[in-house]
Amino acid sequence: AQSVTQLGSHVSVSEGALVLLRCNYSSSVPPYLFWYVQYPNQGLQLLLKYTSAATLVKGINGFEAEFKKSETSFHLTKPSAHMSDAAEYFCAVGGNNRLAFGKGNQVVVIP
Amino acid sequence: EAGVAQSPRYKIIEKRQSVAFWCNPISGHATLYWYQQILGQGPKLLIQFQNNGVVDDSQLPKDRFSAERLKGVDSTLKIQPAKLEDSAVYLCASTLRDSGEAFFGQGTRLTVV
Repeated sequence: AQSVTQLGSHVSVSEGALVLLRCNYSSSVPPYLFWYVQYPNQGLQLLLKYTSAATLVKGINGFEAEFKKSETSFHLTKPSAHMSDAAEYFCAVGGNNRLAFGKGNQVVVIP
Repeated sequence: EAGVAQSPRYKIIEKRQSVAFWCNPISGHATLYWYQQILGQGPKLLIQFQNNGVVDDSQLPKDRFSAERLKGVDSTLKIQPAKLEDSAVYLCASTLRDSGEAFFGQGTRLTVV
């Protein structure tokens, strides 16, 4: 079975500051890991994914995430927040034909 | 490539009424998921199909929810009778393979009054 833990439902960040969203996973099989973004009244859009190649993954809009097996983590970062980054972010773990999501982080960007 | 299509986008019904949602996945995607997303929460898997067979429906409230995927292509999710707590966004997603990303439709926002 797979599960994801995302702590801190709301995250406030100043414009231009580092964005850091934490994700820890549990999986009984080698995981595939994903970060999705959801804008209001929209479906989920893929930001980036880890599928057992490079552990540092670069995605769209300047986001990146690092897979750390020893820490069972896949934290999402962006060096400099932009107002357009305000959205909800979900970490997901897949494998063995299953896909499970975390509860999400609502990111608020402060001008 | 066309995305995942869902309809309707919005639906308001009274409790105890029935409702149906439709999803057409990306062509060639064997796996189809229905998720329920309650406001402020992450998507919760209701049912997963592989072609026209059910892979996982362990979290589907089977006394009121049903889903089918005839011919292994499009799918319908039905609620009968609806309860107030069913108010949520119902998301459909599809994947090409196990390691692939899930592509999501825009969802159907259900309000039960």
